[in-house]
Amino acid sequence: RKEVEQDPGPFNVPEGATVAFNCTYSNSASQSFFWYRQDCRKEPKLLMSVYSSGNEDGRFTAQLNRASQYISLLIRDSKLSDSATYLCVVNPTDKLIFGTGTRLQVFP
Amino acid sequence: DTGVSQNPRHKITKRGQNVTFRCDPISEHNRLYWYRQTLGQGPEFLTYFQNEAQLEKSRLLSDRFSAERPKGSFSTLEIQRTEQGDSAMYLCASSLGQGGSLWANVLTFGAGSRLTVL
Repeated sequence: RKEVEQDPGPFNVPEGATVAFNCTYSNSASQSFFWYRQDCRKEPKLLMSVYSSGNEDGRFTAQLNRASQYISLLIRDSKLSDSATYLCVVNPTDKLIFGTGTRLQVFP
Repeated sequence: DTGVSQNPRHKITKRGQNVTFRCDPISEHNRLYWYRQTLGQGPEFLTYFQNEAQLEKSRLLSDRFSAERPKGSFSTLEIQRTEQGDSAMYLCASSLGQGGSLWANVLTFGAGSRLTVL
């Protein structure tokens, strides 16, 4: 079993739609959780950290469920510029483990 | 430019040759990571340094791979006797802080070094 699992997609959604991605992790000792965004042929960039109580940043909402060991990312009012791969990231130790990423394509 | 810098950006080599990549992290960051990424996959951890100490190395990393960070600043990743399966994007990232700090785990990536082995 992979340490971090994500549905690779692609998710094809129209502008303005709400889309949600889920991610599961295997190591219950993991302490920090993140979502990174990666544009085609670019490096990953931090989108947001995921806190135990859940957190929101504009149109983006992240949730953590420790009991079920999954993390979610909700994007509201999708924009064309949201098209990218979203990487779920977990740290069971001092290194970060990345999922394979979920590809999102927003169309007009 | 105060970001993470990687060189060369692209490297094409023949099977069996040695290649070396360099990474210059953000100057105040004490942690430096190397990851490898292939098409359709997320970044795969290779190794990381805290200052000049190499603290962890992936079991997936064969002995053809070696990384150094001699003065706790820039790092090099060398691949000896390259194989076609080594073709990938090699990403370097750096972060600030000690273990247990949330900010220790926020990585800033460089643009990567793309390796093609013919």
